[in-house]
Amino acid sequence: NAGVMQNPRHLVRRRGQEARLRCSPMKGHSHVYWYRQLPEEGLKFMVYLQKENIIDESGMPKERFSAEFPKEGPSILRIQQVVRGDSAAYFCASSRTGTSSSGNTIYFGEGSWLTVV
Amino acid sequence: ELKVEQNPLFLSMQEGKNYTIYCNYSTTSDRLYWYRQDPGKSLESLFVLLSNGAVKQEGRLMASLDTKARLSTLHITAAVHDLSATYFCAVEDAGTASKLTFGTGTRLQVTL
Repeated sequence: NAGVMQNPRHLVRRRGQEARLRCSPMKGHSHVYWYRQLPEEGLKFMVYLQKENIIDESGMPKERFSAEFPKEGPSILRIQQVVRGDSAAYFCASSRTGTSSSGNTIYFGEGSWLTVV
Repeated sequence: ELKVEQNPLFLSMQEGKNYTIYCNYSTTSDRLYWYRQDPGKSLESLFVLLSNGAVKQEGRLMASLDTKARLSTLHITAAVHDLSATYFCAVEDAGTASKLTFGTGTRLQVTL
């Protein structure tokens, strides 16, 4: 039973390039969340998606960042025209439902470390 | 807006000693998580606390939740070097699905 799978684990991009980070949720999970962790900080919520829908994008920067979770395939976090300040660890998490209940737990992936040079 | 504060931010302790990390949050929540993170690694789930008065223990770590005080504690008993890591609490904002708000983290260093 594979956990939340993220790739790539490490990504280096030059300023101005695009970064694409992928996340496959746990089997049976249809809710995906992306978090960003800047160096020496805690995780910050970015976006919450269900299949083909963005539920909450209140943590997404207004420009250059986008996320999708298509009907088929992984969720993608896309960062256009990267800048040095985008260097961070990006974590994906998934859950079976989107509500708080004793049977619903959030599981995190291994993270994708983006370095912008 | 939900705010989560942890203290201390940094903790250096000797092996064998006991200590407590505190997590305060600002609004009503149904669920609180504790995670461990080693440098350059992902989050390891330690505890999920679901109700007022909940107490969970695993090895040398014990977590508790007081929803009335909006406070959770992570107590370390007889620390060992292997517990050195950064510990985060995270609170699920009631009414906003499973979105988590994380504390700033407590970097624990256990010295020999």
